[in-house]
Amino acid sequence: KQEVTQIPAALSVPEGENLVLNCSFTDSAIYNLQWFRQDPGKGLTSLLLIQSSQREQTSGRLNASLDKSSGRSTLYIAASQPGDSATYLCAVNSGYALNFGKGTSLLVTP
Amino acid sequence: DGGITQSPKYLFRKEGQNVTLSCEQNLNHDAMYWYRQDPGQGLRLIYYSQIVNDFQKGDIAEGYSVSREKKESFPLTVTSAQKNPTAFYLCASSAGLGDTIYFGEGSWLTVV
Repeated sequence: KQEVTQIPAALSVPEGENLVLNCSFTDSAIYNLQWFRQDPGKGLTSLLLIQSSQREQTSGRLNASLDKSSGRSTLYIAASQPGDSATYLCAVNSGYALNFGKGTSLLVTP
Repeated sequence: DGGITQSPKYLFRKEGQNVTLSCEQNLNHDAMYWYRQDPGQGLRLIYYSQIVNDFQKGDIAEGYSVSREKKESFPLTVTSAQKNPTAFYLCASSAGLGDTIYFGEGSWLTVV
């Protein structure tokens, strides 16, 4: 069974810093990997999707990388803002649905 | 607006009652999913459906049932057999099983 782990569980940074969120998975046979953002009490917003054949994807200040062979992905957030404060979830698609990590709770302080 | 609509947003259930959570999408997506989220936990898959009139059990299907009679609708029934139903329930859809998955705003279920 695919296991997804996210490190760190929580992170607090001052506004303006660049930061990296980590995601690891146990089975490299994946279709794709998706990063989501979740605000408290809300649903999930899709940020980036990386297909298994891709190495990275970029959207604005966000960059996600994928190293399938080592079972790792990173989400890089440049020039963080207080509005980036949320929980970030990594999810791996191994064929029929997504397997989720427990998330990284990010707080960006002004 | 295009998207996924879940209702109700908040629901209270007495022990022993069945309740049904609604999920409707107008994205013309073939695949739909139900996930459960507990505090401090990741999302866990309850059921998923690839096409109309077909659905499969996920990792925690016991005590739940679904139907997929229409492409745009995938209701979830939480039965009295579900031991710990209090949770946040999220519905999602995608064009196909390997495509980007989009989520609704979720439904909070509390057993009183």
